[in-house]
Amino acid sequence: DAGITQSPRHKVTETGTPVTLRCHQTENHRYMYWYRQDPGHGLRLIHYSYGVKDTDKGEVSDGYSVSRSKTEDFLLTLESATSSQTSVYFCAISKTSGGSDTGELFFGEGSRLTVL
Amino acid sequence: AQSVTQPDIHITVSEGASLELRCNYSYGATPYLFWYVQSPGQGLQLLLKYFSGDTLVQGIKGFEAEFKRSQSSFNLRKPSVHWSDAAEYFCAVGDRKGATNKLIFGTGTLLAVQP
Repeated sequence: DAGITQSPRHKVTETGTPVTLRCHQTENHRYMYWYRQDPGHGLRLIHYSYGVKDTDKGEVSDGYSVSRSKTEDFLLTLESATSSQTSVYFCAISKTSGGSDTGELFFGEGSRLTVL
Repeated sequence: AQSVTQPDIHITVSEGASLELRCNYSYGATPYLFWYVQSPGQGLQLLLKYFSGDTLVQGIKGFEAEFKRSQSSFNLRKPSVHWSDAAEYFCAVGDRKGATNKLIFGTGTLLAVQP
């Protein structure tokens, strides 16, 4: 358990509305990630962060933005939600050893988003 | 770029039977390989990983996996399946240790366990 909590766990929204998902961790891990999980696609990386205010794009970043103003929180924002963004979103951290990323991911329990 | 294939979408085994889940990867150099398990409504949990060294790796919950370079495979095995092993299993491949942002996940294999 890496002390990761996601909120909200479930959300239904309408097309065109903004949505923010929050990932909170309690162990001060440097690396944080947002993935989406869809049937037939496995997990795909949306954005990741390697420190406060340091973020970068992943494989499927279009339509998403992120922010990390403090170590413990990593926010994922859908500026204008679309039906194609209906998915389960997972936050994850990777632990470090000697300052280096170990490559082992620890996941939150997911946030299920439905865009009508 | 690396890729990973899990050929079996669904597998059903009887409780107590042995299990093998297949994972094939495509990568030119030595890959970094992982198996994760996802129980319903939960996030993924790391079962085991291969970075280098002994090609047979042991993981949690009695699972093991063998890296076979000649077959580009990293199959997951368990000698005797328990009902609690019913879950979805994901193989993942990376191109170097620590490059977690480059990790590629397979599409998963859903395991059902019948009494």
